[in-house]
Amino acid sequence: QKEVEQNSGPLSVPEGAIASLNCTYSDRGSQSFFWYRQYSGKSPELIMFIYSNGDKEDGRFTAQLNKASQYVSLLIRDSQPSDSATYLCAVLHTGGFKTIFGAGTRLFVKA
Amino acid sequence: NAGVTQTPKFRILKIGQSMTLQCTQDMNHNYMYWYRQDPGMGLKLIYYSVGAGITDKGEVPNGYNVSRSTTEDFPLRLELAAPSQTSVYFCASSQGGQLGRWDTEAFFGQGTRLTVV
Repeated sequence: QKEVEQNSGPLSVPEGAIASLNCTYSDRGSQSFFWYRQYSGKSPELIMFIYSNGDKEDGRFTAQLNKASQYVSLLIRDSQPSDSATYLCAVLHTGGFKTIFGAGTRLFVKA
Repeated sequence: NAGVTQTPKFRILKIGQSMTLQCTQDMNHNYMYWYRQDPGMGLKLIYYSVGAGITDKGEVPNGYNVSRSTTEDFPLRLELAAPSQTSVYFCASSQGGQLGRWDTEAFFGQGTRLTVV
């Protein structure tokens, strides 16, 4: 079992729709969870982090965390073509020293 | 605002050659990381460091070595390059956080695209 799993996609949504990206992790001791966006040929950049169960909202982005189910998700409301990118889920490992990434989900937002 | 700087941006190596990928950060971060990203894949942790003089293996350390003599620099050494090491390499750094609240962002360099032929 991979430590951090994501659907590779691609996920295609029409402009203005809600994009839902999912991630599961195997280490129950993980403490913090991150969503990074990576445009083709570029470095990853942080969008959201969450460390408490529940929802965290920032503009059009909402991160959801369920530690009991070992599940993290990212919702993008009012999706825009500029949101088209690969979204990487990352988990800070038990002990707080290693950040492990999932394989990423490619998102396409159609105008 | 330099942030995390990696050199070189591109490199072609022949099988069996060696090279060092340089990484420097000017944010006084304690934590530094090396990841590789194969086409269409996520980031795999190669090595990480939690401070000068302290390094540890990540998920895929074989074929690589690191050192951390200063807070700023974290070079990655490839010995006896192999085609399987063809990848994009990212260096990153983070502040580190308080126990129980490790909500720290990793800042990435621009990446080094390495091809081994």
